[in-house]
Formats: sequence, C-alpha cells, structure tokens
Amino acid sequence: DAGITQSPRHKVTETGTPVTLRCHQTENHRYMYWYRQDPGHGLRLIHYSYGVKDTDKGEVSDGYSVSRSKTEDFLLTLESATSSQTSVYFCAIEAGDSYNEQFFGPGTRLTVL
Amino acid sequence: LAKTTQPISMDSYEGQEVNITCSHNNIATNDYITWYQQFPSQGPRFIIQGYKTKVTNEVASLFIPADRKSSTLSLPRVSLSDTAVYYCLVGGDTGRRALTFGSGTRLQVQP
Repeated sequence: DAGITQSPRHKVTETGTPVTLRCHQTENHRYMYWYRQDPGHGLRLIHYSYGVKDTDKGEVSDGYSVSRSKTEDFLLTLESATSSQTSVYFCAIEAGDSYNEQFFGPGTRLTVL
Repeated sequence: LAKTTQPISMDSYEGQEVNITCSHNNIATNDYITWYQQFPSQGPRFIIQGYKTKVTNEVASLFIPADRKSSTLSLPRVSLSDTAVYYCLVGGDTGRRALTFGSGTRLQVQP
C-alpha cells in the first residue's frame, strides 16, 4: 500500500458545474499524476506535478486544471464539467525502486449528466 | 515515447504458463520496458521492468531479446486471479516521466 487515497470515490454532477477531485499521499513523494480512463481504453495523462506548485500538462489537459500547494495533496479541477469528462480518474505517485514506477490510487468514478 | 503493440486479448486455463508479447520497434536507447496489471475497478499495478535480457521476480519473468524491439511477459502457472488487463509500456528518462498506456492485453483465465 503506497498510501494513496482519492476523494470522492464516486460523484455525479451536472454539466457546467465545477468539480474538484483530491489525491492525497501519506509520504513525501515528489511526482504525482492524474490520469483518466475511459471504457475499453488505457489510461491517459491529464496533468502531473514534480513538486509543490510545479505542474505540467499531459496529453488530455484541456478542460482541466491542477494545483499542488502541499506535497501530500494534488487537486484536479474540472472548471465546467462536460459529459465528455465522464470517466474514471486515477491518481498516481512515483515511488518504488524501478524507473518511473508508479503506484495508483483506487480511482474516482465521475459521471457528468 | 515508443509505440507499443500487443494482442488485444488472450485466453488461458489455470495452471498454464502465459506469454504475452509486446512489440516496440522504435524503442530508444535509454528506454525501459515496464509491464502493469490492472484488475477491474482498480488502478494499474506495477509488475516488472527490464532493460535487456531477462528479469524475474516473484510474480513474472520478462524476456527481452538483444535488439530490444519486443519483449515477452511470462506468467507461470496462472490462476483465475490473474485475469486482468496487462499493459506494456516503453519509456526513458525524458524528463517528463509520464506513462503512456496503450489498450493492453485482456487475459482471461478459465478453470
């Protein structure tokens, strides 16, 4: 257990509303990531962070923003949720002994109506 | 990041050895080969990583030929609990440190 939690685990919201997902780690790992996974597909990177207040975009960053004001928390915000953002969102940290070995959280299932 | 190609699905029976091959023809010199496993409703889990030749851990073996253009994940004596999606990823220290997942191989183990 790499000590990663995500909240909420499930959320249903309406189009146009802002949504914030939280990823929390109990250790002080530098790298944190947000991915989304759609049915039948692999994970796609949204944003990642390499330190407090240091973030960068992934391949599907449009419509999402992130913040990292503390080492242990990485927040993902959907400024104005759309139905195309209905997905499962996974947070990950980089830890372990192997190169870029990532540990994933349990996921947040988001439904935008 | 190098593109990977792996079978969409595979079937096996309990107790058999399963080999999943991944093709990565444009692998770069500093790229590692990593495999992840994902069960339904869970995040992926790191299985094994290698650079060349053979790597073995308590879960699996990874075979990498000399040209490194492919790799094979070997799962010995699979059980029903090995039913999952297996992802092959290739990447090196590009500074971005992001993982690029393809569609993976869906392994179904039957009794």
